[in-house]
Amino acid sequence: AQKITQTQPGMFVQEKEAVTLDCTYDTSDPSYGLFWYKQPSSGEMIFLIYQGSYDQQNATEGRYSLNFQKARKSANLVISASQLGDSAMYFCVLSQGGSEKLVFGKGTKLTVNP
Amino acid sequence: DTAVSQTPKYLVTQMGNDKSIKCEQNLGHDTMYWYKQDSKKFLKIMFSYNNKELIINETVPNRFSPKSPDKAHLNLHINSLELGDSAVYFCASSQIPPPSSYNEQFFGPGTRLTVL
Repeated sequence: AQKITQTQPGMFVQEKEAVTLDCTYDTSDPSYGLFWYKQPSSGEMIFLIYQGSYDQQNATEGRYSLNFQKARKSANLVISASQLGDSAMYFCVLSQGGSEKLVFGKGTKLTVNP
Repeated sequence: DTAVSQTPKYLVTQMGNDKSIKCEQNLGHDTMYWYKQDSKKFLKIMFSYNNKELIINETVPNRFSPKSPDKAHLNLHINSLELGDSAVYFCASSQIPPPSSYNEQFFGPGTRLTVL
């Protein structure tokens, strides 16, 4: 069965510092993808970054990068130069090749302190 | 030019009532979803439709019935509402070219349902 584990219910970081949000996953399918979504207090779900299981390089999108370690089955999100607006819930999400279903982790609440 | 819209944004109702939440997407996607986010922020898929056909039906009470009149709309009807139905319900859509795992889903703003 597919599973996503986010072990950090809450994280704190100082503004302008980098922070890593942990995510491990479990799947037996060789074709899969990992997403990170952000949910600010206003409630909307915002797509941040995607990593495919066959991608050779780690994904990056602006201040977001995904530290993909396939052998360890981890897909940690790194946010560089944190901003106050980064305070939100962050969800790690697993998708299977050809499947419509996404499996969400329980989320990590990030608080950026001034 | 909202991509995925839901109405209403807030819904407060009494136990035992029947209510509907509407969802529309203008992205031309073939697949639409309903998710429930509980008070602990856990998001779980409920249903998925592809071109008006039900393809995912997780373990959800049969008081919940999705209806897709066309591929741009997926409505959620809930009968005999219970206290435990209080949650935020998200609609989403995606276009998955198989066998890709790139299933980026575009979410609506959510509907906060409160059952009293």
